[in-house]
Amino acid sequence: AQTVTQSQPEMSVQEAETVTLSCTYDTSESDYYLFWYKQPPSRQMILVIRQEAYKQQNATENRFSVNFQKAAKSFSLKISDSQLGDAAMYFCAYNEYGGSQGNLIFGKGTKLSVKP
Amino acid sequence: DGGITQSPKYLFRKEGQNVTLSCEQNLNHDAMYWYRQDPGQGLRLIYYSQIVNDFQKGDIAEGYSVSREKKESFPLTVTSAQKNPTAFYLCASSTGTANTGELFFGEGSRLTVL
Repeated sequence: AQTVTQSQPEMSVQEAETVTLSCTYDTSESDYYLFWYKQPPSRQMILVIRQEAYKQQNATENRFSVNFQKAAKSFSLKISDSQLGDAAMYFCAYNEYGGSQGNLIFGKGTKLSVKP
Repeated sequence: DGGITQSPKYLFRKEGQNVTLSCEQNLNHDAMYWYRQDPGQGLRLIYYSQIVNDFQKGDIAEGYSVSREKKESFPLTVTSAQKNPTAFYLCASSTGTANTGELFFGEGSRLTVL
């Protein structure tokens, strides 16, 4: 069975600095999707960034980028120029290609604090 | 604005009572999902529905029931058979037509059993 592991329960970053959140996963599939979701204190989860496993290029969305290492089964999220609004729980998630769209496998989350 | 509306935001229940959590979406999405979130845990799938009048159990369906009579609505009933119902419940939807895995979430409902 696939698993997703986030080894950092909590992280802290100074405003304007860069922080990297770690995620590893386990799967025997070769095609799949990986995601980072953000859950701010308001509780509504939103998609931050998505990576298709067949793409070698790392996904980037403005200040958010990933380091996708397929062989190592690692999928870290880098947040550059951190802002106070980045404070949230961040969840890494996996979905196999062709699987049920809602059956994402989530990690336990990393709580990110941003210090002014 | 399109989105997902969950109600109520907070709900208190006495042991032995059934409660129903509402989830409505106006995104015209085919698929809808219910997740449970506990402190220090990721999200766990309770039930999902890919089309009207059809739904499947997720990983932790015991003690829960759902219906999907309309495309826009996917209510979740937490029954008295659920041993530990105090949790945060999230409803989500997706287009269901392409497996990108992107979900759109509501703001959640917090259920507390007294």
